[in-house]
Amino acid sequence: DIQMTQSPSSLSASVGDRVTITCQASQDISNYLSWFQQKPGKAPKLLIYDASTLETGVPSRFSGSGSGTDFSFTISSLQPEDIATYYCQHYESLPDTFGPGTKLDVK
Amino acid sequence: EVQLVQSGAEAKQAGESLKISCEASGYSFTTYWIAWVRQMPGKGLEWMGIIYPRDSDTRYSPSFQGQVTMSVDKSINTAYLQWSSLKASDTAMYYCARRQQLGPSDYWGQGTLVTVSS
Repeated sequence: DIQMTQSPSSLSASVGDRVTITCQASQDISNYLSWFQQKPGKAPKLLIYDASTLETGVPSRFSGSGSGTDFSFTISSLQPEDIATYYCQHYESLPDTFGPGTKLDVK
Repeated sequence: EVQLVQSGAEAKQAGESLKISCEASGYSFTTYWIAWVRQMPGKGLEWMGIIYPRDSDTRYSPSFQGQVTMSVDKSINTAYLQWSSLKASDTAMYYCARRQQLGPSDYWGQGTLVTVSS
């Protein structure tokens, strides 16, 4: 099975800050990676798929990049409503493993 | 509009059986996989497995193989996740999600909270 790691596990930033989260796969997954946002008590929401494609309706301050084993997710200007936990997930082969998550809060 | 609507919260005793559901609408049910994801209290997301409604082809994560059973009823566009004998450690939120053939899980249900007391 492909293992996914994320860093940092938690992050505190100020409104307006640029925030970056990284995700690493244990083997080459091409660009078969998605990023999810999960707010407390809510289902995960797909933000980015195929490593860098923004899901319809998702604000353009969110972006993703990378291929192979190393990926990153960026919020260009943090907004208060972005407080959530963010997960990466690969779908290169089954099982579709999730990363452990990055909890983001506002300073 | 694509929607996945899950059944309501369940409170059960250890050893009891349970079947929760995920009703799909707004798309062709038989052409997308349905994935199930567990989230234990205060923890991250765990991928349990997927089922293809057209032929009920099912793939389980090794961690969940033999612990749960996934099924579908194509006539009512509904996927199911069931347990034959619950354990306290099955206490969690369970999500269903639509998964493309080689693509992301793009639409999610609202989740079903399962609480198992010993």
